[in-house]
Amino acid sequence: SSELTQDPAVSVALGQTVRITCQGDSLRSYYASWYQQKPGQAPVLVIYGKNNRPSGIPDRFSGSSSGNTASLTITGAQAEDEADYYCNSRDSSGNPWVFGGGTKLTVL
Amino acid sequence: EVQLVESGGGLVQPGGSLRLSCAASGFTFSSYEMNWVRQAPGKGLEWVSYISSSGSTIYYADSVKGRFTISRDNAKNSLYLQMNSLRAEDTAVYYCARESAGYMDVWGKGTTVTVSS
Repeated sequence: SSELTQDPAVSVALGQTVRITCQGDSLRSYYASWYQQKPGQAPVLVIYGKNNRPSGIPDRFSGSSSGNTASLTITGAQAEDEADYYCNSRDSSGNPWVFGGGTKLTVL
Repeated sequence: EVQLVESGGGLVQPGGSLRLSCAASGFTFSSYEMNWVRQAPGKGLEWVSYISSSGSTIYYADSVKGRFTISRDNAKNSLYLQMNSLRAEDTAVYYCARESAGYMDVWGKGTTVTVSS
């Protein structure tokens, strides 16, 4: 199966901008989706498609993609954005889905 | 309100079986593809299985192929995961997730499966 690679941990100062990246061959063919997961809670979809936010997701969250890399950008990070973030996409090798290993975001 | 509620988790011995259920409400269940995703303690998300809206197309991760069976009952708005020959490495929180045009937009709160003697 395909793989999606994420940095294990990223930190950002309160109010600053942070980019979380996801790399994988499947991203050359498929958009990534991004999920936020806080401790003890289920994942929540924050970005899907080219750059779409579900209802209720703040507009400080945005997505982009180039080549084999997808990015989730948080512009003006807030304390409540501290969480684990996972990317996923269709798996170009036959299975429907593949997830990245996750990035733990710390807001300082 | 669109909702998914998992049930059926618990403690089971290695080699045992469990059947997970996911009850859907607030949307037309029969129109959506569904997935099971799991998360081992302290680890990341792992896709487990997929089923099409009609149930005619099914996929499994290599790690569970031949041991787990996904199914659905559209008349009962329910998704299932039959888990046999359970191993310690199957210990995880199991989530059901609705699939919508290339992403998983609704998730349940999860049910915990612990495989231990």
